[in-house]
Amino acid sequence: DAGVIQSPRHEVTEMGQEVTLRCKPISGHNSLFWYRQTMMRGLELLIYFNNNVPIDDSGMPEDRFSAKMPNASFSTLKIQPSEPRDSAVYFCASSWVADTDTQYFGPGTRLTVL
Amino acid sequence: SQQGEEDPQALSIQEGENATMNCSYKTSINNLQWYRQNSGRGLVHLILIRSNEREKHSGRLRVTLDTSKKSSSLLITASRAADTASYFCATAPYSGGSNYKLTFGKGTLLTVNP
Repeated sequence: DAGVIQSPRHEVTEMGQEVTLRCKPISGHNSLFWYRQTMMRGLELLIYFNNNVPIDDSGMPEDRFSAKMPNASFSTLKIQPSEPRDSAVYFCASSWVADTDTQYFGPGTRLTVL
Repeated sequence: SQQGEEDPQALSIQEGENATMNCSYKTSINNLQWYRQNSGRGLVHLILIRSNEREKHSGRLRVTLDTSKKSSSLLITASRAADTASYFCATAPYSGGSNYKLTFGKGTLLTVNP
């Protein structure tokens, strides 16, 4: 299995631009998570999908952030407009719905907003 | 807010020595997990210990859990240079249906010198 796939691996953009991060979970996994990692705040859960439905988006920082999961094999995290404080590493993770204990992480997208 | 707090923040040892990292948390948990993150990579799940367990082993890893003290330790025996990474503890809350909501500490950076 290829594992969780994220793209792009690195993204540099200017303040005010729209940013879209992409994730392909492990085939057969029913749960998908988006996390953000910064030095100051560590790793934070942004949103959790179960069977393509957003279950918990309490970690989404503000309305500039949105996430979608149109099908079982694809999810996006969008930031519009982006701000310098959004600079972080964004991780996608997936797991079996029957075993949400173990989450499998992708390699992450390092976002820099200038 | 951070639930798990790892200690120490950084640890440097020689190859062959044992490494011990500690994690403290604040609220009741369903389980506690340890993850490893190599520089620039995603997190890799190492081991999970449930709240009714006290000790668990996996290869060179030994995890203990003391729910009365709200603390856990991760022991890596006979360390190798390849063990160099950041190690995170993550707690899943006790409340039903929220096992997915892992809260991560800020990690211990382990350096194993050849």
